[in-house]
Amino acid sequence: GAVVSQHPSRVICKSGTSVKIECRSLDFQATTMFWYRQFPKQSLMLMATSNEGSKATYEQGVEKDKFLINHASLTLSTLTVTSAHPEDSSFYICSARDGQGLSYNEQFFGPGTRLTVL
Amino acid sequence: AQTVTQSQPEMSVQEAETVTLSCTYDTSENNYYLFWYKQPPSRQMILVIRQEAYKQQNATENRFSVNFQKAAKSFSLKISDSQLGDTAMYFCAFMKHYLGNQGGKLIFGQGTELSVKP
Repeated sequence: GAVVSQHPSRVICKSGTSVKIECRSLDFQATTMFWYRQFPKQSLMLMATSNEGSKATYEQGVEKDKFLINHASLTLSTLTVTSAHPEDSSFYICSARDGQGLSYNEQFFGPGTRLTVL
Repeated sequence: AQTVTQSQPEMSVQEAETVTLSCTYDTSENNYYLFWYKQPPSRQMILVIRQEAYKQQNATENRFSVNFQKAAKSFSLKISDSQLGDTAMYFCAFMKHYLGNQGGKLIFGQGTELSVKP
């Protein structure tokens, strides 16, 4: 149980285009989802926290208009990188938490999405 | 604000030997959780072990155990009988105690890259 999927696993896009990454909880209801960014050999940097049906809370320094997050249902959150540029190239990881379940104090991680902007 | 510090960027150990990874944290909270996550080359985050701050007994999961020193704010991970598959980046993480479906933010350390040598 507690499986989180991400799609796509890899994406290459041209500079100036927008890219959408999906994060799904497959066997539980994710009341809260988190989006992280990770550079090679570095730690995970939290970008934003989203609760189903409400606006995402962004961490300081993260551009809200650049990284659009939607958490429209209890099993799906999306991250859209708008007008992507090469500096947005990174590994993006989502995680999900079931705030109502027995594992409420645990986050379950997706496999990540590698974004390359040319 | 909470911080998590891992002071060992890299470590290596011989197969079948024991290794200890260090982690310290800073918080004014009394009720919280501590985690060790493993990130192998696939980059999938895998929960290794979890410790509730209110529990005095150190958590153990097979070959993995922790030394939780609440007063010293220290949370080290011991890996016994190291295996080649233990080669990975290891992250220490902190989470405040939350109720309901809000919150659950993880604060990560910088990571320790562990190499298990044959």
